Amino acid sequence: NAGVTQTPKFQVLKTGQSMTLQCAQDMNHNSMYWYRQDPGMGLRLIYYSASEGTTDKGEVPNGYNVSRLNKREFSLRLESAAPSQTSVYFCASRDSFGELFFGEGSRLTVL
Amino acid sequence: LAKTTQPISMDSYEGQEVNITCSHNNIATNDYITWYQQFPSQGPRFIIQGYKTKVTNEVASLFIPADRKSSTLSLPRVSLSDTAVYYCLVFSGSARQLTFGSGTQLTVLP
Repeated sequence: NAGVTQTPKFQVLKTGQSMTLQCAQDMNHNSMYWYRQDPGMGLRLIYYSASEGTTDKGEVPNGYNVSRLNKREFSLRLESAAPSQTSVYFCASRDSFGELFFGEGSRLTVL
Repeated sequence: LAKTTQPISMDSYEGQEVNITCSHNNIATNDYITWYQQFPSQGPRFIIQGYKTKVTNEVASLFIPADRKSSTLSLPRVSLSDTAVYYCLVFSGSARQLTFGSGTQLTVLP
């Protein structure tokens, strides 16, 4: 049982490049989330998906797009990366009791 | 969603009991209170969840007064490995958006 798996774990981009962060969960959870965490700061919600086929904006959605491909997978795309998007990105899924399960994080640096 | 307020940081010594309080004045009737622990370079990890009175598990206790406008996470006999950021999260079962507050940086000193 892997839980929540994120890929890649590390990525370096140049300004203007695009990339997709992948997230998959094997716990059959309906809700999934993408957060970003800047150094020394708390978690900020980027997008979330309450169920397959639905996505909604969180606190800081600008510059990102998401896709809930199926119940297992929830991807985050940066269309034109900016240095301000340098951060650690965490994907999470939520069970029916409200508990969040987080992945190990994806560390993104935009030069 | 109920807004939460926690102390930014706390220091303690090994072996002491640590209490971290979270204020959530506009908590709704259906809201639950959950605490998470985050170590550097890791995702947050669930510690404990409660609705009212007291909840205890193998790692912590959660105290919730009758008015539910605050909650206190209690960590008994902390060790150096308990140094982490602790987040309080208030949500309802039907909540779709889950946002975290700033968290409390707990530093355990030898």
